[in-house]
Amino acid sequence: DAMVIQNPRYQVTQFGKPVTLSCSQTLNHNVMYWYQQKSSQAPKLLFHYYDKDFNNEADTPDNFQSRRPNTSFCFLDIRSPGLGDAAMYLCATSRDYLAGNNEQFFGPGTRLTVL
Amino acid sequence: RKEVEQDPGPFNVPEGATVAFNCTYSNSASQSFFWYRQDCRKEPKLLMSVYSSGNEDGRFTAQLNRASQYISLLIRDSKLSDSATYLCVVNEAGAQKLVFGQGTRLTINP
Repeated sequence: DAMVIQNPRYQVTQFGKPVTLSCSQTLNHNVMYWYQQKSSQAPKLLFHYYDKDFNNEADTPDNFQSRRPNTSFCFLDIRSPGLGDAAMYLCATSRDYLAGNNEQFFGPGTRLTVL
Repeated sequence: RKEVEQDPGPFNVPEGATVAFNCTYSNSASQSFFWYRQDCRKEPKLLMSVYSSGNEDGRFTAQLNRASQYISLLIRDSKLSDSATYLCVVNEAGAQKLVFGQGTRLTINP
């Protein structure tokens, strides 16, 4: 009954080698988010899509890109991973923008290791 | 100053104890408030929303003080399964994102 699915759960890549993380949802939610969470830190929003509209956070490095080919899928591309990009990457969805108490649903995350 | 600040802990308390966490937020325009729970190496999950009048869900009580810009979470009769990191989360009216605190780590000891 998984609602937000992330693949793979664990990803190992080499310094500078492009990597793609994927997220899919069965909730038919309009909004999909990508967060980066490092150990003992808060989840940090990288960007989000409202439907097909992409919204980048001002401090998200250009090294991070995203694609949303359809409602269900969203990808995070890291063009040239550095050691500092090792983290848990969390995908989340919400039905709409956070009017009232619209809940965000998180996937299980992909833990990225950069060698 | 961080937008949402929490005492990172860790808090170590015996089973059955009552434990309270506080959280402060810097943006007075914040309108919605939440507590999320995150287990080790898992994703955050919504524990409860926080309403202006305060609200209770079983052993959990959340309160909001807009004048002082802080939110609290009280856990009564703590269980071993309450061990987790508790994230304080806020968003502004009409804003497109949640802002997470660093989280407070709680360990309940038998």
